[in-house]
Amino acid sequence: DAEITQSPRHKITETGRQVTLACHQTWNHNNMFWYRQDLGHGLRLIHYSYGVHDTNKGEVSDGYSVSRSNTEDLPLTLESAASSQTSVYFCASSPGTGLYGYTFGSGTRLTVV
Amino acid sequence: EDQVTQSPEALRLQEGESSSLNCSYTVSGLRGLFWYRQDPGKGPEFLFTLYSAGEEKEKERLKATLTKKESFLHITAPKPEDSATYLCAVLNNAGNMLTFGGGTRLMVKP
Repeated sequence: DAEITQSPRHKITETGRQVTLACHQTWNHNNMFWYRQDLGHGLRLIHYSYGVHDTNKGEVSDGYSVSRSNTEDLPLTLESAASSQTSVYFCASSPGTGLYGYTFGSGTRLTVV
Repeated sequence: EDQVTQSPEALRLQEGESSSLNCSYTVSGLRGLFWYRQDPGKGPEFLFTLYSAGEEKEKERLKATLTKKESFLHITAPKPEDSATYLCAVLNNAGNMLTFGGGTRLMVKP
């Protein structure tokens, strides 16, 4: 069965370190998204991609970067982790049109100490 | 800018006590309104898509309805296993991106 997987499920890192969160989908979806979810803020869009070599900034992109070298993967990199980036991160994917909604991964809980 | 507001933020029900969750939206041309269920420690799971005012969809004890300004998720005779956070999102006619509301946390006590 097709799926979308995130790794790791939990991560603790130190302030200032570079961290990469993985997202891999086997749906063959063109669109992929990264969100963070915090109490009181709901889901906030970090970056998104509409296809290979395409990346775009979302509403909370500062301190984050992504690259898309194939259809299946959209890794999220925190260039220099900060305590404000402690959050739960969700990856999602969708077909070319948004009309079918998104399929979400199970999330990565990141703690920056 | 699209906006989605969900109310209440939290709702406590007794098992069997029916109620409704509200999702109010402003969007530049609605292409679809989506309901998701999110259990603790998991990603949101798709429930329904509604495309036009007057449309209704049902799944077990859940029924979603849509007007031009809001959507309701009606829960009939809820059970403890219906406890979760319910998220609403809209898709506008300008792109392929969903705008999410803050969610309603539903707790159903036996």
